[in-house]
Amino acid sequence: EDQVTQSPEALRLQEGESSSLNCSYTVSGLRGLFWYRQDPGKGPEFLFTLYSAGEEKEKERLKATLTKKESFLHITAPKPEDSATYLCAVLRYGGATNKLIFGTGTLLAVQP
Amino acid sequence: NAGVTQTPKFQVLKTGQSMTLQCAQDMNHNSMYWYRQDPGMGLRLIYYSASEGTTDKGEVPNGYNVSRLNKREFSLRLESAAPSQTSVYFCASSALAMGAGELFFGEGSRLTVL
Repeated sequence: EDQVTQSPEALRLQEGESSSLNCSYTVSGLRGLFWYRQDPGKGPEFLFTLYSAGEEKEKERLKATLTKKESFLHITAPKPEDSATYLCAVLRYGGATNKLIFGTGTLLAVQP
Repeated sequence: NAGVTQTPKFQVLKTGQSMTLQCAQDMNHNSMYWYRQDPGMGLRLIYYSASEGTTDKGEVPNGYNVSRLNKREFSLRLESAAPSQTSVYFCASSALAMGAGELFFGEGSRLTVL
């Protein structure tokens, strides 16, 4: 069964304390992996797309990496404004149509 | 740019009442989607429309109907609301079909069914 698991569920960091969020997946026919950021009371906002193992993408303090089984979102020297829920989603080939499967997210709190 | 606009932002219904959630996008996207988000669960697809004039069921379509009114607008209707439909509903759009590319989300519609 297709599954996308994010860990940890919640993470509290001090400002400047680097860490990583994990998204592990078991799907057949991976076509892409997406990272989104969701602020409270808002819709998810796109961050990155990764298509193949070994690929990396960077944006400001965020860096996303992909292996055959998981993706990491590395946060370097985070600031309080990085506090949000981070969602990953896996796109898998589904025959007539693709299927996008979302994880439940990691709630990140960065304290000043 | 407005992006994806949803209305209403908040709604309280009684069991059995009906309502329609409206969604409009101004990015000229072909594909539009309705998701629901519940605590402890990932976003789940209710219905999607790959292009104007077409709609398809997603993962959790029971109790919902949709209309792709034109390229810009995609509405979600609850004919007889149930407490299990209490959720946050998100409309999204994309240039590419079925999540192959970036999804643009609205701010959400928070629905409570009593």
